[in-house]
Amino acid sequence: KQEVTQIPAALSVPEGENLVLNCSFTDSAIYNLQWFRQDPGKGLTSLLLIQSSQREQTSGRLNASLDKSSGRSTLYIAASQPGDSATYLCAVRPSYGGYQKVTFGTGTKLQVIP
Amino acid sequence: ETGVTQSPTHLIKTRGQQVTLRCSSQSGHNTVSWYQQALGQGPQFIFQYYREEENGRGNFPPRFSGLQFPNYSSELNVNALELDDSALYLCASSLGGTGGVADTQYFGPGTRLTVL
Repeated sequence: KQEVTQIPAALSVPEGENLVLNCSFTDSAIYNLQWFRQDPGKGLTSLLLIQSSQREQTSGRLNASLDKSSGRSTLYIAASQPGDSATYLCAVRPSYGGYQKVTFGTGTKLQVIP
Repeated sequence: ETGVTQSPTHLIKTRGQQVTLRCSSQSGHNTVSWYQQALGQGPQFIFQYYREEENGRGNFPPRFSGLQFPNYSSELNVNALELDDSALYLCASSLGGTGGVADTQYFGPGTRLTVL
């Protein structure tokens, strides 16, 4: 059974700092990994999707990397802003079983202090 | 292009009642997935519909059922509500299983269900 862990559970940083969020998974047989942000009481906003054959994806100030062999993905946020404050979730889709096996982490709650 | 919408936003029910939640997919998307998110947890996959057929199911009992309509909108029905069903229910649409960016799921804002 796939287990997805996100550490730390919460993070507080001053504005302007670069930061890294971590996502670990136990089964490396993945199809893709997706990073989301979730604002309080709201739905999820897709940030980046990395296919199993890719090493990283970039969008603006965000960069996500994937290392299947070690079961890790990182989300790098450059020059953090107060608007980045949210909970960040990673979701792993396995290479078998389709979406019924998608496993989410419990998230990292980020607070960027002005 | 409209995003994914869900209705209602909030709902309060009592134990034993039945509830129907609705989701409109993003334009052009033929796949809808439903998730349950308990407070402080990541979303848990309930089931997925692809072109009106159920295309996979998570570990949820049969009292959780769904439909997808020809316009690809969808419903989630929950019978015999239990207190533990209180959660944020999210639907997500995608282009459907062809790989690459088509796999990207776009989520609606969710329906907050409270069971008393």
